[in-house]
Amino acid sequence: EAAVTQSPRNKVTVTGGNVTLSCRQTNSHNYMYWYRQDTGHGLRLIHYSYGAGNLQIGDVPDGYKATRTTQEDFFLLLELASPSQTSLYFCASRGAYAEQFFGPGTRLTVL
Amino acid sequence: GEQVEQLPSILRVQEGSSASINCSYEDSASNYFPWYKQEPGENPKLIIDIRSNMERKQIQELIVLLDKKAKRFSLHITDTQPGDSAMYFCAASPSSSFSKLVFGQGTSLSVVP
Repeated sequence: EAAVTQSPRNKVTVTGGNVTLSCRQTNSHNYMYWYRQDTGHGLRLIHYSYGAGNLQIGDVPDGYKATRTTQEDFFLLLELASPSQTSLYFCASRGAYAEQFFGPGTRLTVL
Repeated sequence: GEQVEQLPSILRVQEGSSASINCSYEDSASNYFPWYKQEPGENPKLIIDIRSNMERKQIQELIVLLDKKAKRFSLHITDTQPGDSAMYFCAASPSSSFSKLVFGQGTSLSVVP
């Protein structure tokens, strides 16, 4: 089974702060995704990538940057965090089949 | 872009009865429709999916129906158990390569004794 890990699991920052969320998958999947989960909105795609150095814009990209440094590692960057970015963030990966495997999530609070 | 609407947002059923969740989508090119289950404090996990070349798929107590003409799909859980209590998300893939999914808003299902 695919293994996707995220760090940190919880993060508190202040408005205007700089935050990096990390995701690593160990099954050599090509695709990796960053979602945010908010009550009433389900899972919304922020950015995704199909390989090292590649970045695709998702459906809610404003205020977020992302970088895929290796096949395994995908980072989400919030350079000027705002309270509206308080959310539960999930990373996911996908291999040859369509199933996405999700990490455990990172709960981010922006004060 | 694709949008997926999911109803109801909250569903409460008696143990042993059936539960139904409905989703609709806008992009007629969407061709893959998975369902994810998320238990409290956990991450979402795929429970069943259907591709556009099928109208019905069943895995044990889970049944998925797809009506491409109406652009609707639904999940039916028969003989619900307390372990079925969770958040359920439908999704649609607007790309033939399944490169991205658009999720519905989620349904919180509670199965009560």
